[in-house]
Amino acid sequence: GAVVSQHPSWVICKSGTSVKIECRSLDFQATTMFWYRQFPKQSLMLMATSNEGSKATYEQGVEKDKFLINHASLTLSTLTVTSAHPEDSSFYICSASRTNTDTQYFGPGTRLTVL
Amino acid sequence: GESVGLHLPTLSVQEGDNSIINCAYSNSASDYFIWYKQESGKGPQFIIDIRSNMDKRQGQRVTVLLNKTVKHLSLQIAATQPGDSAVYFCAENRLGRGSTLGRLYFGRGTQLTVWP
Repeated sequence: GAVVSQHPSWVICKSGTSVKIECRSLDFQATTMFWYRQFPKQSLMLMATSNEGSKATYEQGVEKDKFLINHASLTLSTLTVTSAHPEDSSFYICSASRTNTDTQYFGPGTRLTVL
Repeated sequence: GESVGLHLPTLSVQEGDNSIINCAYSNSASDYFIWYKQESGKGPQFIIDIRSNMDKRQGQRVTVLLNKTVKHLSLQIAATQPGDSAVYFCAENRLGRGSTLGRLYFGRGTQLTVWP
């Protein structure tokens, strides 16, 4: 068990458009989901923590109006990159845990390329 | 500042040898540590974890050692195989720490390359 999926696995979009990425826990209920971004050959950087039914908590320096996070159910969280620009191109990874102190299980990631 | 770091960014080993990947952390209040494996273009995969009340934990072909005195963590992979080639991250999870509850602090990562 503890499988997390992401959709899409990759996306290419034009500058100025918005992109939505979905994160789903397939075989467990996730009270907490996390969103990370990762640049090539670098570590994961936490963007925000999302608890089901609550507003997301954003890390310092992450624009909440640009990276909209919704966690409306115990199996689904979405990250919307609004008005994407080339510098937003990155690998976005979500993780999910049953509780906020439980092991985090990661999704396969979404490669975003903004032209 | 607080950090979870790795001593070596790259490690090359021959197939069949044992691998040891090291990690240092700076916060003595850390409660829980996890090792993740990340293959190219994929998300991190959970390998093994250990809580601060333990100093050793074994899994299938992997062993994690925790030395709280020197704030050091290691991942040992026995009989390393080509499929073990990946980036390995240690992560620190501070349980029971208020606003940082559940937050993972990742190290830089070590690229493990296994030669046939």
